[in-house]
Amino acid sequence: AQSVSQHNHHVILSEAASLELGCNYSYGGTVNLFWYVQYPGQHLQLLLKYFSGDPLVKGIKGFEAEFIKSKFSFNLRKPSVQWSDTAEYFCAVSPNTNAGKSTFGDGTTLTVKP
Amino acid sequence: DAGVIQSPRHEVTEMGQEVTLRCKPISGHDYLFWYRQTMMRGLELLIYFNNNVPIDDSGMPEDRFSAKMPNASFSTLKIQPSEPRDSAVYFCASSGGDPQGYTFGSGTRLTVV
Repeated sequence: AQSVSQHNHHVILSEAASLELGCNYSYGGTVNLFWYVQYPGQHLQLLLKYFSGDPLVKGIKGFEAEFIKSKFSFNLRKPSVQWSDTAEYFCAVSPNTNAGKSTFGDGTTLTVKP
Repeated sequence: DAGVIQSPRHEVTEMGQEVTLRCKPISGHDYLFWYRQTMMRGLELLIYFNNNVPIDDSGMPEDRFSAKMPNASFSTLKIQPSEPRDSAVYFCASSGGDPQGYTFGSGTRLTVV
């Protein structure tokens, strides 16, 4: 079975700082990768996804993520964060053989100070 | 599509009472998931269905919890009897068989007093 590890539990940044949240997965086969965002008091929403092609994917609100197959990683980045990016971020992976079922990481809470 | 629809949005009940949470997935999605989220335990998968059939219910905490999916457009999560430690936000999510990710409902905030 696959697993997802998000090493940073809580990240605190000042506005305009650059962001990188780590995500590593364990699975030997082909995978689909996702990042979700959960703003305070809201539900999880899909931020971006990768399932084939260019390993650098761009999502909404200036976020991007890079799939590095050799490192089993799918780190989330944003060059300049805003206070409104304060949220919890979840990485998820689904195997190509069962694309409808994802395994989620434990989440990283991002706090952006104004 | 209106997305995944959950009801009620908020539920306050007394310990010992039966609670039923409802979910309508996105039409055409053949996977449905029930999650529970708390500050202490984070996001937990309780059970999921594929084509209305329960596939994995290993996350259901106790026999007090049960879930059904009588048809492709409706699922329920029932807690009987409810206890204060069941207080949480319960999310329903659905997905298609392709790698498009999940769509989550707005959640039901359950408070058991």
